[in-house]
Amino acid sequence: QVQLVESGGGVVQPGRSLRLSCAASGFSFSNYTMHWVRQAPGKGLEWVAVISYDGGNKYYADSVKGRFTISRDNSKNTLYLRMNSLRGDDRAVYYCARDPEEGSGSQLPQSAYFDYWGQGTLVTVSS
Amino acid sequence: DIQMTQSPSTLSASVGDRVTITCRASQSISTWLAWYQQKPGKAPKLLIYKASSLESGVPSRFSGSGSGTEFTLTISSLQPDDFATYYCQQYNSYPGTFGQGTKVEI
Repeated sequence: QVQLVESGGGVVQPGRSLRLSCAASGFSFSNYTMHWVRQAPGKGLEWVAVISYDGGNKYYADSVKGRFTISRDNSKNTLYLRMNSLRGDDRAVYYCARDPEEGSGSQLPQSAYFDYWGQGTLVTVSS
Repeated sequence: DIQMTQSPSTLSASVGDRVTITCRASQSISTWLAWYQQKPGKAPKLLIYKASSLESGVPSRFSGSGSGTEFTLTISSLQPDDFATYYCQQYNSYPGTFGQGTKVEI
């Protein structure tokens, strides 16, 4: 069965960095675009970033552009989110999520919905 | 960015009630709309995609309708397991924006 397991969250000081990981299993990881979505405590859902099947194409929300980097290692079935210059408003549960449309290469679909989500990992930014 | 507005924000209902949640988009998104259910401390769960397609394994009491800018999620007979927060999401274009959520409570 499809499983997505995030890790790497924790408490970090403002301005510092953190890297999240999402280990995927139960499906052909390289055939799916992958996303990060976050949710601040008690708030709604915010899409963060997407990466194409081969990692060659990426797109970011304006709120994280220039600070966050999404990447993937298809040989390890793992998705990453490198977060630099963290701010208080980055405090959230971060979910990795799968776009159900299979494909290949560096193309990105027009946008996506999400059929599988990880359990989430909490990032707290505090001095 | 396309703005998604859900109503109501909170809905009080009883087991067996028919429940309808509305989602409006700030511009036309055709039928590129999904609905999710989220329970406290859990990840969202996909219920409906392409406005009216039921995700595999989701009970048939859930249904979606609409196109363009106005959409609805209907629960035909509310069950105890359905008390949760529901979100709509447009995927017509990036960023895939979500509504603010509708909490269905007893």
